[in-house]
Amino acid sequence: GQQLNQSPQSMFIQEGEDVSMNCTSSSIFNTWLWYKQDPGEGPVLLIALYKAGELTSNGRLTAQFGITRKDSFLNISASIPSDVGIYFCAGNLPNSGGSNYKLTFGKGTLLTVNP
Amino acid sequence: DAGITQSPRHKVTETGTPVTLRCHQTENHRYMYWYRQDPGHGLRLIHYSYGVKDTDKGEVSDGYSVSRSKTEDFLLTLESATSSQTSVYFCAIAGGRGNEQFFGPGTRLTVL
Repeated sequence: GQQLNQSPQSMFIQEGEDVSMNCTSSSIFNTWLWYKQDPGEGPVLLIALYKAGELTSNGRLTAQFGITRKDSFLNISASIPSDVGIYFCAGNLPNSGGSNYKLTFGKGTLLTVNP
Repeated sequence: DAGITQSPRHKVTETGTPVTLRCHQTENHRYMYWYRQDPGHGLRLIHYSYGVKDTDKGEVSDGYSVSRSKTEDFLLTLESATSSQTSVYFCAIAGGRGNEQFFGPGTRLTVL
């Protein structure tokens, strides 16, 4: 199946630092989504992007839909301990299968924040 | 938060036994999904539903079946559980602006 390449796989940072992670693909996507998953819980939607070039913020989080529609990044500013978790990107391919509502997921970035 | 519940939250069973996991939503969303999450593989789609009694296979559907007789409930059945089906299972629903999916809390299944 279609792959989303998410990097880095893991990050260890100090509290207060800024963080950047990204997803790339060889195919174009109609939608880019970013999720966060805390241990023992389900992924929670952070940001949804629908147009090439779109830049959207949610508090200290900022995400962008790449101009080529083949990539997206997520930035976290001034990290805090509760930012710890796994961050997933996901995208929706044009006319994906029998339904337009299937997502392709990256394998996640594990973020550790040292107080 | 989207109203999604999964039951049971934890289950231990033996190889060869049938297992059914339930996903229940209160959002009246049309689309529902079952994923499994395993280390190194991320989230993989098992089956999904695009309406009552309308379902289709995902990328890892072998050994699983689903049913949706009501909008609010989506059942995942392992006909004869195997150790390779030990995993965390997540249900999701599609709502909001089209492709946004919202996830349930997960079911941790262990097959001995």
